[in-house]
Amino acid sequence: AQKVTQAQTEISVVEKEDVTLDCVYETRDTTYYLFWYKQPPSGELVFLIRRNSFDEQNEISGRYSWNFQKSTSSFNFTITASQVVDSAVYFCALRGYNNDMRFGAGTRLTVKP
Amino acid sequence: DADVTQTPRNRITKTGKRIMLECSQTKGHDRMYWYRQDPGLGLRLIYYSFDVKDINKGEISDGYSVSRQAQAKFSLSLESAIPNQTALYFCATSDGITEAFFGQGTRLTVV
Repeated sequence: AQKVTQAQTEISVVEKEDVTLDCVYETRDTTYYLFWYKQPPSGELVFLIRRNSFDEQNEISGRYSWNFQKSTSSFNFTITASQVVDSAVYFCALRGYNNDMRFGAGTRLTVKP
Repeated sequence: DADVTQTPRNRITKTGKRIMLECSQTKGHDRMYWYRQDPGLGLRLIYYSFDVKDINKGEISDGYSVSRQAQAKFSLSLESAIPNQTALYFCATSDGITEAFFGQGTRLTVV
């Protein structure tokens, strides 16, 4: 069975601090996709990134960066110089070969001014 | 118009009532999903469908049923609603390669 674990339930930082959100996954599939979504207080789910299992290159998009390590089954997300607008719940998700998509429990990030 | 539309957006219903949540999409995707979100539990998969003839149970299908009326429509039913089905429900679609697209959510309260 597939499983996604986000061990950090809540994180609180002060604006301009860097913060890393952890994601560990389990799957028996050799082909799979990993995702991060953001859920701001308004409630919608906002797609951030998709990574397939054959692409271990790290990615940077502005203040956001992602570190994918198959050896440790992790797909961590770092926000550099956090801002108040980054406050949200962040979800990591895994979609396996049979296409069912499983989510972690989410990490609530609060960025204080 | 939104790519994925859920109706209703909010609903309050009584214990024991039958209720249907509807989802329609304009993405042309063949895969559709229903999730429920509870605080601290993330999104849990209820059912998913690859086409109108293919329905699959997810993690928490008990107490729910679904119908894929067309490629673009996927409805979720609670045959006899109970209070612990109070949650935020999301519909999503996917082409199996790119990211999943989510509706705005339906907030269901069972009293």
